[in-house]
This record gives sequence, structure tokens and C-alpha cells, in this order.
Amino acid sequence: AQSVTQPDIHITVSEGASLELRCNYSYGATPYLFWYVQSPGQGLQLLLKYFSGDTLVQGIKGFEAEFKRSQSSFNLRKPSVHWSDAAEYFCAVGADNDMRFGAGTRLTVKP
Amino acid sequence: EAGVAQSPRYKIIEKRQSVAFWCNPISGHATLYWYQQILGQGPKLLIQFQNNGVVDDSQLPKDRFSAERLKGVDSTLKIQPAKLEDSAVYLCASSLVGSRKSYEQYFGPGTRLTVT
Repeated sequence: AQSVTQPDIHITVSEGASLELRCNYSYGATPYLFWYVQSPGQGLQLLLKYFSGDTLVQGIKGFEAEFKRSQSSFNLRKPSVHWSDAAEYFCAVGADNDMRFGAGTRLTVKP
Repeated sequence: EAGVAQSPRYKIIEKRQSVAFWCNPISGHATLYWYQQILGQGPKLLIQFQNNGVVDDSQLPKDRFSAERLKGVDSTLKIQPAKLEDSAVYLCASSLVGSRKSYEQYFGPGTRLTVT
């Protein structure tokens, strides 16, 4: 079965700074890849998804992610972080009718 | 379009008591999922339904957890008896059917369960 690793438990960035959240997966082929965001007390909201094709995918709220097959990675990026981006971010891997989530990265945004 | 609805939002019970959670998926979504999210972890699938049939319940602790989806719409997840380690957020999600569509899951706000 596939697995997902998010190496950073907690990241703090200043408002207006750029952001990159890391995600690595383990699977024998190319799985489907997702990023979700969870605000406190809320469910998960899909930010973006990768199925195939262009390895740079655009999502909602100004986020993008790049799939790198050679590194088994799907890192999430945003050029300029807003205070409202403070939340928990989950990378997920889908394959064989099974979805696996990483443990999450908590993002804190400093004023 | 209405999202996934869940109730209650919060529940506090004592160990060995029973509890039930309710979920109403997005209209037209044939697939429904229940996840358990323990504090500091990502969601873990408990059970997946397609219409009113179970697709995957391999990670459901069947000695104490049960779930049903009568008529292929609403679903109920029950825990009886509850243990301290069941304290978690229980998330319901739904999706369309299809090789890719089934992975685009829409989540409800969750039910936060505290077992004391």
C-alpha cells in the first residue's frame, strides 16, 4: 500500500513571505496526489490535485504544487502567505481505491 | 450546493457508553466515507460505502464500531462501548463514483468525540 510522509510537523512564516510544504510518498507507480487544508474546527478542504499530465498544478487560494517523479515528492507552494492561510495542511496519496493521508503540517503565520 | 453535514459537532461521553454520529453527504454522491482523525495525525479511513453497500471496512474495529447507510444516502457510525482511545474527530466525506472522481472527496466539519 502507498504511504505519505510530511517531514515538517510545524512551520512558521511571516506574512508576505513565500511558503513551501514538503510531501513525499512511497508507491510502486505514480499515484494520484492531493493537498488538503484544515482550519481549526473544520473539515478538510481540497486545495489541488494531480492525476497526470502537467507536473505543476494550480489550486485554490493561490496555491500550487509540483510533482517530481524522481524525488517521489509533491510539494505545496505559495509565493506570498496571508494571515488567513494559518491552518493544518495534509498531503494525500490515492491508489488502488485507497486514500492515505500524511500526518499534517501546521502552518503559523507571523504578522 | 450544500456540503456534507454532520451531527453532533461535539460529544463528551464516559468510557463504556455508546455514541452515534450522523452524516448526510452531498446530494448525488454515491460514495461515503467515515474517517477517524486522532489529534496530531492525518485522517484514517474506517469504512467506505458505495450506495448502501460496504466497499472497504478493513480498518473498522468491528468489535465496537458499526456503520450503516440505509437507502444509500444518510449514514450513521456507532461506537459501543467507547474506550478512551476512541477520543478523536470523526470525519464524514463523500464523492462521486469514477476512477478519478472517487478520490475527490468532500469533507464535513467533523464530530469531536471526547471519552472520559
